[in-house]
Amino acid sequence: DAGVIQSPRHEVTEMGQEVTLRCKPISGHDYLFWYRQTMMRGLELLIYFNNNVPIDDSGMPEDRFSAKMPNASFSTLKIQPSEPRDSAVYFCASSKINYYNEQFFGPGTRLTVL
Amino acid sequence: DQQVKQNSPSLSVQEGRISILNCDYTNSMFDYFLWYKKYPAEGPTFLISISSIKDKNEDGRFTVFLNKSAKHLSLHIVPSQPGDSAVYFCAASGSASGTYKYIFGTGTRLKVLA
Repeated sequence: DAGVIQSPRHEVTEMGQEVTLRCKPISGHDYLFWYRQTMMRGLELLIYFNNNVPIDDSGMPEDRFSAKMPNASFSTLKIQPSEPRDSAVYFCASSKINYYNEQFFGPGTRLTVL
Repeated sequence: DQQVKQNSPSLSVQEGRISILNCDYTNSMFDYFLWYKKYPAEGPTFLISISSIKDKNEDGRFTVFLNKSAKHLSLHIVPSQPGDSAVYFCAASGSASGTYKYIFGTGTRLKVLA
């Protein structure tokens, strides 16, 4: 099992540029989550999908952030325009449909906005 | 407003001794709790969980204790090993709220000294 795959692993960009983070969940998992890790707030849930449909996007910080899941094996998180305060590690995670179930995390994308 | 709090950012313990990591929560609707471990440059990995119908769950060297009246849980690692050095996140969720998402704390960095 390949696990959750994220790309790129590192991204350095300049303020105002568009950033796209990518995620491939584990095959057969019905839930996909996007998290952001910062020192101050720990792991924050940004948005999650169930069967490719966004269920809860209340954690998305502002309209500059958007996420899509066009099919069961691919999701993107886009920031446009990016700002220095968006610098963080972004994780994607997936899990099976059942509640009381662990989430499997990808290795993360470290984003630096200059 | 942080619903899940890990008030100790870091902890150092001698190899072979007990490590105790603490977590407090504010929402009495939470009924399922997890601990994740995170090594540098990797995603968090699931460690152990506990349902609110229990007050203790054990898995090898790892034991999680839940005190519902105090809204407090703790992770005990006995004996601690250098390989346990990592950041530990606690997370909570509430099925009663109808939402399938975990709220994570800010993490505690454990360092086990050889």
